Amino acid sequence: GDSVTQMEGPVTLSEEAFLTINCTYTATGYPSLFWYVQYPGEGLQLLLKATKADDKGSNKGFEATYRNETTSFHLEKGSVQVSDSAVYFCALSLYNNDMRFGAGTRLTVKP
Amino acid sequence: DVKVTQSSRYLVKRTGEKVFLECVQDMDHENMFWYRQDPGLGLRLIYFSYDVKMKEKGDIPEGYSVSREKKERFSLILESASTNQTSMYLCASSPGQSKTQYFGPGTRLLVL
Repeated sequence: GDSVTQMEGPVTLSEEAFLTINCTYTATGYPSLFWYVQYPGEGLQLLLKATKADDKGSNKGFEATYRNETTSFHLEKGSVQVSDSAVYFCALSLYNNDMRFGAGTRLTVKP
Repeated sequence: DVKVTQSSRYLVKRTGEKVFLECVQDMDHENMFWYRQDPGLGLRLIYFSYDVKMKEKGDIPEGYSVSREKKERFSLILESASTNQTSMYLCASSPGQSKTQYFGPGTRLLVL
């Protein structure tokens, strides 16, 4: 079935380091792809999305490109901050009422 | 901004109790969802609703029921709470033709 696999955490980085969180997907069609972020004690917030191949989603310095040839949607940020410490979820949606989430990757950024 | 609110942030209940979790959204969204979140498992869909009084089972509906009497409100009901229902419960909503879901802050439920 349709699913998302994201890199296992936890990931620990120093402030200003480069971040990559890998996400690959399996889908029977052409899904929309999402990254959500969950800060401590809160619900999920949409970070960015892409709806078709080669689209790049971006927000708050984070970027991800929809790569159909490698079925990937890796999250990147050039210089992380302590405030980026959170759990990041990759997700896909083929239909309006069906979203599949990865297991989540916990990121800790140390000063 | 879309706002999804949940009635409680933390809840402690005893085994066998009936538990109601309430969710309200203020953006006139057609679709509403209930998920549970457990470490290492991500989010799993319990139920969703695409219209008032309409509901569909998700991946893990056993032990849960839902109610949607008004468009803005979607309730999750645990008829007889059990310890394996200790979890974080997240509500979400989305417009009718959109795949993007908007989440509430979550309710952390502990069943003793």
